[in-house]
Formats: sequence, structure tokens, C-alpha cells
Amino acid sequence: KNQVEQSPQSLIILEGKNCTLQCNYTVSPFSNLRWYKQDTGRGPVSLTIMTFSENTKSNGRYTATLDADTKQSSLHITASQLSDSASYICVVSGGRNNRLAFGKGNQVVVIP
Amino acid sequence: DAGVTQSPTHLIKTRGQQVTLRCSPKSGHDTVSWYQQALGQGPQFIFQYYEEEERQRGNFPDRFSGHQFPNYSSELNVNALLLGDSALYLCASSPPDRGVKTQYFGPGTRLLVL
Repeated sequence: KNQVEQSPQSLIILEGKNCTLQCNYTVSPFSNLRWYKQDTGRGPVSLTIMTFSENTKSNGRYTATLDADTKQSSLHITASQLSDSASYICVVSGGRNNRLAFGKGNQVVVIP
Repeated sequence: DAGVTQSPTHLIKTRGQQVTLRCSPKSGHDTVSWYQQALGQGPQFIFQYYEEEERQRGNFPDRFSGHQFPNYSSELNVNALLLGDSALYLCASSPPDRGVKTQYFGPGTRLLVL
């Protein structure tokens, strides 16, 4: 079973609307959680990184939340733009070897 | 300041062949990690190099090997290619140990095995 589960797998939203992506993890002990944006055929680009003591962090129109007690994180995209169409990958660092565990990504398509 | 660079961008090989992919880390970074990303999946950790040695390894067979050079650049070698090795291969670099480190990813090399 994957240590990082993301939902929904994919979604289509209208330009200008908001959306929220979910990430649940089982990695323990927990070190930090990152959200990456990956455009098709490109490498992932870091959006946010949060440690245990942080429960929210923003990067422009992207706001990530973290609940380390329930092991859940969300990424909220405000006023979506066409350029937000991408895969959003949740990555959790921790575990016995402090490795990075990757989710499969949330595929977001923004339509005009 | 160039970010992480990878070469080649695309590559086509046939089963049984060998391939070498290259990565130059971001300036000031000394740690390089390699990932395999199949279509529609998240990246899978292959291994990580630090001080010219393999520091960690994921669940990949010995056909996957690597090297790090004194200038911190790195190579990923895959022998006896299989159809299932077709994927986007990502290289990520990170700075010297200093608390929480963000990994910076390169654009990837897309490998197609026929």
C-alpha cells in the first residue's frame, strides 16, 4: 500500500474557480510534507514545504494545510488559471531512513 | 544560475541495450537523487549520491547503477533494458545538509524502450 494517497485522482475545473486537493499519509515518524507542481513532461517544481509545527503555508494562489495529528494535508488553489493545469504531487519525508514518499499526484485540468 | 540540467531530453532504445543518462545539479548542491516516473504515476526513488558514493537505494535491480563525479554531476546507467524501463527519469539535487532541504528537479529524460 502506498504511504501517500492523493484524491481526487483527477478533476476538471472552470477558470476562476477554486479547488482543493487532498493528501493522506501513513509515513512515520514524520519529518516534512511538500507539494510539487508538475507540468506534463517536465520536472516537478516545489510549491510549499511544511514541517510538523506548521499547519498552513501559502505561495501566491496556492495554500497548503497540514494536520499532523490526522496525517492529512490539502492544497487549495484560488481563482484558478489555465496555467494551473498540471499534476500536483504530495511528497512526505520521514520514516526509518528519512526517505521521500511520493503520491501519484492529482491531475488538474482548468478549462476556460 | 542554471538549475538542474539533464541530458539527453529524449532517448529511444531497444530491449537489451544499455543507456546512460546525465545530470548536472544546481550550483551549490552536493547531493543528487534519481527517480523513475512511469506515465500517470508519482516518481519512484532509484538512488541517491553524496560525496561520490551511493548513500541510499530504492527497490530497483542491479541493472540500475550510478556514479557521481567530483564536480557533483551524476550519471544513471541502465543495462539490459526492458520494455518496462520506459519512463521519465528525473534527477533532483539538494544543498549540503542544513535542516529541511528542498529538492530541485531537472526537466527529466524521457526514455522509450522498443
